[in-house]
Amino acid sequence: AQTVTQSQPEMSVQEAETVTLSCTYDTSESNYYLFWYKQPPSRQMILVIRQEAYKQQNATENRFSVNFQKAAKSFSLKISDSQLGDTAMYFCAFMKLGFGNEKLTFGTGTRLTIIP
Amino acid sequence: DAGVIQSPRHEVTEMGQEVTLRCKPISGHDYLFWYRQTMMRGLELLIYFNNNVPIDDSGMPEDRFSAKMPNASFSTLKIQPSEPRDSAVYFCASSYDRATLQETQYFGPGTRLLVL
Repeated sequence: AQTVTQSQPEMSVQEAETVTLSCTYDTSESNYYLFWYKQPPSRQMILVIRQEAYKQQNATENRFSVNFQKAAKSFSLKISDSQLGDTAMYFCAFMKLGFGNEKLTFGTGTRLTIIP
Repeated sequence: DAGVIQSPRHEVTEMGQEVTLRCKPISGHDYLFWYRQTMMRGLELLIYFNNNVPIDDSGMPEDRFSAKMPNASFSTLKIQPSEPRDSAVYFCASSYDRATLQETQYFGPGTRLLVL
């Protein structure tokens, strides 16, 4: 079974600074997806970024980027120029490829607070 | 596309009453998922469907919970009878766009259920 670990329950950073959220996972699979979801106080689960394990290039979405280290099974999220609207819970998630493997395995989340 | 639509957004009911949560997935998505989120247990997958057929219901807590997907655009999660421990946020998500072959799960806004 896959496991996803987020070792930072809470983080805070000043507005406009850069912050990195860590995520490690354990799997014997070679093909899979990794995701970061954001859950603001509204409780909506919002996809931030996704990474296919077969891609060596790290995914980037505007101010959000990942550092994907496949051998180390590490998948950290970097938020640049942080904004007040980035305040949220952030969940790392894993999904195997293939039919019957559509379930997401979530980490326990990191609560990020952006300080004005 | 309007995204995943859930109703109601908030539900307050009394113990013993029947509760029905509704979900409309993103058009063209083949998979539909029901999750429950609580402080104690985090995000739990309850059940998921592929092409309206339940694939895995191992996360359904007990016989009081049932889920149906009568067609590609509608699913229900029913709790009968409801208990205070069922209080949680219930999310519906859909995935697998056949046009793009993308398996990312997109979540609805959730239904916040409170059972008194």
